[in-house]
Amino acid sequence: QVQLVQSGAEVKKPGSSVKVSCKASGGTFSSYAISWVRQAPGQGLEWMGGIIPIFGTANYAQKFQGRVTITADESTSTAYMELSSLRSEDTAVYYCARVGYGCSGGSCYFDYFDYWGQGTLVTVSS
Amino acid sequence: SYVLTQPPSVSVAPGQTARITCGGNNIGSKSVHWYQQKPGQAPVLVVYDDSDRPSGIPERFSGSNSGNTATLTISRVEAGDEADYYCQVWDSSSDHPNVVFGGGTKLTVL
Repeated sequence: QVQLVQSGAEVKKPGSSVKVSCKASGGTFSSYAISWVRQAPGQGLEWMGGIIPIFGTANYAQKFQGRVTITADESTSTAYMELSSLRSEDTAVYYCARVGYGCSGGSCYFDYFDYWGQGTLVTVSS
Repeated sequence: SYVLTQPPSVSVAPGQTARITCGGNNIGSKSVHWYQQKPGQAPVLVVYDDSDRPSGIPERFSGSNSGNTATLTISRVEAGDEADYYCQVWDSSSDHPNVVFGGGTKLTVL
């Protein structure tokens, strides 16, 4: 059974950075992409970006470009999401999810999210 | 950027049929996926590629997609179906391809 286990809750000061991990087990890590989705309190789902581990390149939502870095370590089947210059509006639950993907003509797309981590609450407060 | 529009809420009595729509420009040309999220839990995929169901999802959940509207249909609604539902697509129509989620629909079972 595929499992994604995320690191624990974080409390951060405005202006600092946070790095959340997502360890996969029970599947072939290199056959899928890993995406990060966040959910602010009482709000909907917001895609932040994703990475295809075998390629090592990440694709980011325009809103987070320059502030988020997504990486993956195939040797440990772990993906990471680092968000910098934190502000109070970044207070949210951050989810990783396994995503199917396809590539055509030099570009890749993400498909559906079939397995999700348990979520990591990041609280940004002075 | 591509926008997916969902009604904020849908209410239905137990045993009836709930239909949750997801509107988008020519969404029928895209693959639509649906997620169920209960309070305090991670989302769960309930329909993918417009109308396919993952293993373990009841046949009561079905999907369709045509024109400018995709629809998630839940037949014989049960109290346990009460949750938020989100549609999702991959949008490659802009200079910056990305994943797009609808705003979510809260399903209330009366």
